[in-house]
Amino acid sequence: GEDVEQSLFLSVREGDSSVINCTYTDSSSTYLYWYKQEPGAGLQLLTYIFSNMDMKQDQRLTVLLNKKDKHLSLRIADTQTGDSAIYFCAEIPDTGRRALTFGSGTRLQVQP
Amino acid sequence: DSGVTQTPKHLITATGQRVTLRCSPRSGDLSVYWYQQSLDQGLQFLIQYYNGEERAKGNILERFSAQQFPDLHSELNLSSLELGDSALYFCASSADTRGTEAFFGQGTRLTVV
Repeated sequence: GEDVEQSLFLSVREGDSSVINCTYTDSSSTYLYWYKQEPGAGLQLLTYIFSNMDMKQDQRLTVLLNKKDKHLSLRIADTQTGDSAIYFCAEIPDTGRRALTFGSGTRLQVQP
Repeated sequence: DSGVTQTPKHLITATGQRVTLRCSPRSGDLSVYWYQQSLDQGLQFLIQYYNGEERAKGNILERFSAQQFPDLHSELNLSSLELGDSALYFCASSADTRGTEAFFGQGTRLTVV
């Protein structure tokens, strides 16, 4: 079955890089996602990667995938106070039911 | 703004009652997904519709049902409400049934008292 795990909390200083980690268990080809949720808001799709890729970069965001270890990370460069939010890792298998399975979310706190 | 609209934003109702949550997907998107976010269960997939047909079911209770109408908007009906149904209910839409890019609405916060 599918299972996605994340650490619960990360605190960084403004201007530093943040790295949020996630592990997943699905053994099939899969899409892997990062969503951001700010207080009182919906889920914002940040970026996603297919499991045949190792890396994807989009401005301040870098996604790294280690398929052997089923480990996904999101690096935010030059973290700002506006990046404070909960970040969810999620996956969709390439076959079967095509709905997102979410991790429990990592709360990122950015200290000024 | 994701382009997915959910109404109402907040809903307070009593146990035993029935409510309807509404979702308008992004223009052109044929797939609608419903998710529940609660403190104890996290984010869970409930159900998916594609172009009016049910495509996949997740952890949806029998007291809950959904439909997608010809204009592609969707409604989630929750009946015989219990305190434990209090949660944030999200709708998401995607262009196809594969759901590769799903965009979420702002959610409806349901409080059952």
